[in-house]
Amino acid sequence: GQNIDQPTEMTATEGAIVQINCTYQTSGFNGLFWYQQHAGEAPTFLSYNVLDGLEEKGRFSSFLSRSKGYSYLLLKELQMKDSASYLCAVMDSNYQLIWGAGTKLIIKP
Amino acid sequence: ETGVTQTPRHLVMGMTNKKSLKCEQHLGHNAMYWYKQSAKKPLELMFVYNFKEQTENNSVPSRFSPECPNSSHLFLHLHTLQPEDSALYLCASSQMTGSSYEQYFGPGTRLTVT
Repeated sequence: GQNIDQPTEMTATEGAIVQINCTYQTSGFNGLFWYQQHAGEAPTFLSYNVLDGLEEKGRFSSFLSRSKGYSYLLLKELQMKDSASYLCAVMDSNYQLIWGAGTKLIIKP
Repeated sequence: ETGVTQTPRHLVMGMTNKKSLKCEQHLGHNAMYWYKQSAKKPLELMFVYNFKEQTENNSVPSRFSPECPNSSHLFLHLHTLQPEDSALYLCASSQMTGSSYEQYFGPGTRLTVT
């Protein structure tokens, strides 16, 4: 079966760094996506990794290891507005997204 | 920024009602999707339309009926729903050619079935 695992909830402090992990088992792999979703809003695209390694985009970075079926999203210099759910999704061999349940990130002052 | 709009934003309906959800994308994409999002569960893909042709129907009950009249518009027709169908229904679009496959989401319709 296909499975995406990520922690349900994490708490971090404003100004700190947090790493959200995602492990996956899917039929085929055409890339891994991270989305941010604030409460009551639409998910918004953050990053796409298809090759191994680290992709940096401002305060956010995403890492992929295809051999380990593992990715993480790294958020630096946390701000209160980063409080949201972070969704990991893998594109399978049919180019459909398989989604994790999301990680709710709580930022404390 | 979102180029995907959805109406209505909130909908309360009885189990015997018939209603429709509407989605429109202004991004020139060729694929559109309906998802169901329930609390603490992964997004569930319901339907996919690629170039107006339905390419995916993930065992969705027949009380949900999609319609895609053109590549910019997508509807979800609802009838005789059950209380467990209460959820956030999200529409998304993407460009299914080239190297960029990210999906862009609308704000969703919060559906409550009473």
